[in-house]
Formats: sequence, structure tokens, C-alpha cells
Amino acid sequence: QVQLVQSGADVKKPGASVKISCKASGYTFTSYDIIWVRQATGQGLEWMGWMNPNSGDAGYAQNFQGRVTMTRNTSISTAYMELSSLRSEDTAVYFCARVGSSYYEGYHYYMDVWGKGTTVTVSS
Amino acid sequence: DIQMTQSPSSLSASVGDRVTITCRASQSMRNHLNWYQQKPGKAPKFLIYAASSLQSGVPSRFSGSGSGTDFTLTISSLQPEDFATYYCQQYYSTPWTFGQGTKVEIK
Repeated sequence: QVQLVQSGADVKKPGASVKISCKASGYTFTSYDIIWVRQATGQGLEWMGWMNPNSGDAGYAQNFQGRVTMTRNTSISTAYMELSSLRSEDTAVYFCARVGSSYYEGYHYYMDVWGKGTTVTVSS
Repeated sequence: DIQMTQSPSSLSASVGDRVTITCRASQSMRNHLNWYQQKPGKAPKFLIYAASSLQSGVPSRFSGSGSGTDFTLTISSLQPEDFATYYCQQYYSTPWTFGQGTKVEIK
């Protein structure tokens, strides 16, 4: 079945970096963009950016510019999100999601398959 | 960035009730709006795209409407498994943005 499997929880000190993996299976990895979304405890969803696994192109939300890098390894159908200069406010669950699309009077995009999330705790 | 505002932030309802959640955008965005359901400790589940198109497998008691800046998600007859938090999300322009969520609780 179509699924995204994320790496396990991680604990980091302030100033460190974290790299989360998202392994795709059940579909052609290079045919769908991957988006990263995070959610602090008890808070809403925050879109971090997108990556095209075919080209490697990526775009990031302004809030994360300069600190986030989204990459992929097509040989193992895995996307990565690295966040650097971590601070306590980065403590959150990080989700990867596949971008599906439909066409009717224009293209429509949605996040139709989600990983289960990776908890990142930033603490000294 | 397009700001998405949901109302109410939470509501209490009983099984069988009709529930309506509103999402308002800070600028017009045609019908480029999705809805998701999230249960505690779980990833969001995709429900509706293009404001009113139901994702395959989603029960028909869920429906969406709206265009421009005002959108609604309606659950026609609330079921026990529908108690969750619901988020709207726009894809008209990047960064994609979410509403703050509406928590549907048991009365």
C-alpha cells in the first residue's frame, strides 16, 4: 500500500541540527512532490516547504529560510528534511506528506498521504 | 501570505447533530481549499479538495462548499468517529497555510 515511513524521535540540544527521513513505498517516488509540515504540542499545522523528488527542486516558507534544507535519495525513495540552528521553539512533531493533484478547471493540489510524524525535542 | 481563520475554535455536539465549520481567507483564492481531519496523536487525514470535492473513501456525510474567501465544512450527521480537530488549508499561493483548527467535542 502507499505509505510514507518516517524516522524515529530525536532529542537535540539548542544550536544543533536534525535530519528526518521519509521513505516512500507503494508508488513512484519521483512522480509526486513531498511537503513537510510541523505541529508544536497542542498547536496547529505549519507548512515548512516542498520538494520535487524528480528534479530535487525545493521551496521553503519564509519562516524557515536559511535553516531548512529538503533533499532526496531517489535510489532508496527517501526524502529528507534538515533543520539547523535548533531552538526550543522547534520542538514539534514533523510530518512529511505526498502532494496529490487533480485537474478540473485548473490544477488542484492536496496532501493525500502522510507519514506518522517524527517528534523532535530541543532541550539543553 | 494568505491568512486562514476558522470558526468556531471549538464546538460541542451530539451524535446525529449537523455540524458546520467556517473558514475565511484573507484574500480571494477561488476554490483552492482543502479540509483535513486530525485525531490526537495521529497525522491529518485528507477529506476534501477544491472546496467541495470529496476524497475517495470519505463518507458522504462530509461536504464542503464555498469560493473566494468564505468556505464551509459540513458534517450532516455527526458520528462517534468524527470527534476530532478539523483544519482548512489553502493552496492558492505559497506558502500553503492552514486555519488554526476547529475541535469538535462530544456534548
